[in-house]
Amino acid sequence: QVQLVQSGSELREPGASVKVSCKASGSTFTRYAINWVRQAPGQGLEWMGWINTDTGNPTYAQAFTGRFVFSLDTSVSTAYLQITSLKADDTAVYYCARGGYCSGGSCYPHWFDPWGQGTLVTVSS
Amino acid sequence: QSVLIQPPSASGTPGQRVTISCSGSSSNIGSNYICWYQQLPGTAPKLLISRSNQRPSGVPDRFSGSKSGTSASLAISGLRSEDEADYYCAAWDDSLSGWVFGGGTKLTVL
Repeated sequence: QVQLVQSGSELREPGASVKVSCKASGSTFTRYAINWVRQAPGQGLEWMGWINTDTGNPTYAQAFTGRFVFSLDTSVSTAYLQITSLKADDTAVYYCARGGYCSGGSCYPHWFDPWGQGTLVTVSS
Repeated sequence: QSVLIQPPSASGTPGQRVTISCSGSSSNIGSNYICWYQQLPGTAPKLLISRSNQRPSGVPDRFSGSKSGTSASLAISGLRSEDEADYYCAAWDDSLSGWVFGGGTKLTVL
């Protein structure tokens, strides 16, 4: 049974960068996409995109292009979300979730299961 | 404004049956399966229903899902206090080439 464990809470000043990790254990890391989902305080869930764990190819939702970067280190079964030029409205809990079956260079939609426990990123001066 | 539309709140008394609706369009619910996620207070979302009406192992059969056309619903029977949570629907959207979520429904057990 795969488990996803995320890094701890982060506090950053506006303009800084942050890198959140999501480590998989208990099952194969590849063949499934890792998705990133944002939840702003008191708000709903918002899909940010996914990364193909076979090829490392990321796909970003329209609202998350430019300052958001998905990456992998398959040697340690870990996915990363980096956010640059942080703004106050980036303050949110960021979740990783396995979902999307990858084959032949493409990923196909699949429900999200499991989820990481979430990482709170607070942007404040 | 979320792509999938859910009522912001729902409520029921213990033992009651409640339903939560989720409305979409031909590019998401109309052409793909829907998933439901349960988010208990202060925790990460958890998969409740996959493929519109299938329960993962460990999910009680009090939870059931259905889909018709461009709408879907989640039904919870025999309501219990531990069901008090936020519930989100989600579907793949072919036009956006991405997942879309409903805004979430806060279920209160009175």
